[in-house]
Amino acid sequence: GQNIDQPTEMTATEGAIVQINCTYQTSGFNGLFWYQQHAGEAPTFLSYNVLDGLEEKGRFSSFLSRSKGYSYLLLKELQMKDSASYLCAPYQAGTALIFGKGTTLSVSS
Amino acid sequence: ETGVTQTPRHLVMGMTNKKSLKCEQHLGHNAMYWYKQSAKKPLELMFVYSLEERVENNSVPSRFSPECPNSSHLFLHLHTLQPEDSALYLCASSQSPGTGGGSPLHFGNGTRLTVT
Repeated sequence: GQNIDQPTEMTATEGAIVQINCTYQTSGFNGLFWYQQHAGEAPTFLSYNVLDGLEEKGRFSSFLSRSKGYSYLLLKELQMKDSASYLCAPYQAGTALIFGKGTTLSVSS
Repeated sequence: ETGVTQTPRHLVMGMTNKKSLKCEQHLGHNAMYWYKQSAKKPLELMFVYSLEERVENNSVPSRFSPECPNSSHLFLHLHTLQPEDSALYLCASSQSPGTGGGSPLHFGNGTRLTVT
């Protein structure tokens, strides 16, 4: 089974930096996905971390520590359009993705 | 047309109706999925098809019946639903999870279902 923990809600202002944490417990861990989902829309793929460390992709970066069962998504230079839910999903080899409850981020001006 | 397409976008049905949701992917993937997303709840995996074979049924009630006629098409047949089945139903595709590597899911825009 899996256990995924993320904060339910976060708020930030435009231009700021925000870090969304995710802790997980899972067997057969292969890597960790982050998805973004705007209200009423489909989730879209942001990142997939397999190795420990930070991977940067534009304004978004994702970090993984396999030994600690911990990941975070770092969003820089926040924009209003970044208001969305951010879903953490640890990947178990050979299985379909199971998602956490997600973190709803509200960005204000 | 590219990506994952779901129809209809919105559906209202009575509890005695029978309807079907359709999903089509143009990404060359060999696995397809149905997820359910209710208000204030996480995405719930319903069914997984890999190479047109159902590989996972996540304790879904029999009033939901999936069908995968080929690797590009997936249906969800609905009958005698309950009001609590009202939700956003999302289809997704990827390379088969059995390949071991983490292949990202590509989601359709979903069908917003309301059961009256």
